[in-house]
Amino acid sequence: DGGITQSPKYLFRKEGQNVTLSCEQNLNHDAMYWYRQDPGQGLRLIYYSQIVNDFQKGDIAEGYSVSREKKESFPLTVTSAQKNPTAFYLCASSIRPLGQTYEQYFGPGTRLTVT
Amino acid sequence: SQQGEEDPQALSIQEGENATMNCSYKTSINNLQWYRQNSGRGLVHLILIRSNEREKHSGRLRVTLDTSKKSSSLLITASRAADTASYFCATDDRGSTLGRLYFGRGTQLTVWP
Repeated sequence: DGGITQSPKYLFRKEGQNVTLSCEQNLNHDAMYWYRQDPGQGLRLIYYSQIVNDFQKGDIAEGYSVSREKKESFPLTVTSAQKNPTAFYLCASSIRPLGQTYEQYFGPGTRLTVT
Repeated sequence: SQQGEEDPQALSIQEGENATMNCSYKTSINNLQWYRQNSGRGLVHLILIRSNEREKHSGRLRVTLDTSKKSSSLLITASRAADTASYFCATDDRGSTLGRLYFGRGTQLTVWP
């Protein structure tokens, strides 16, 4: 089955700790994205990567970091510098956008709670 | 920013009725997409309409695009309780090479049996 997996589904951390969210895809997509969703809100882009070993900041990158060492994987680290990390995090992938965008395929999400 | 805005924020209808939700955006686009999200889940792509298209159908879904008004509408005909979800529009930005999408805040649709 082709798709995107995110793990874990629920994650609990103490304030001050870094935490890494996993995102893996087997769709052979070049582009991958991380979004944050707060209750009743839309999706806000954190980071995105159009190709291996390259990534760009989105609208709310402060307090987050990413790496893209493999095509299949795009892990997101929520650092202790992120002031309000409790949220629903969604990973997505797509064909590499060149001149136009394509549909994005989303994972099931990770709900992070920091206390 | 290019972020789209859906209207209404919430919509409540009976099964069998049609549901219409609207999306407005700010800058020129290459395409506009609609997504659906069930509570606590990831988004699922519904339909993509290009800037040179005016209307597109997929099953019970009908999407229109008016680039002169920078707006789109999603019509779900003969709605079912299973259509209960949040619906988001997403646009790109023709003037940008970033290749990203901009999502609105969504319309929460509730369909009562």
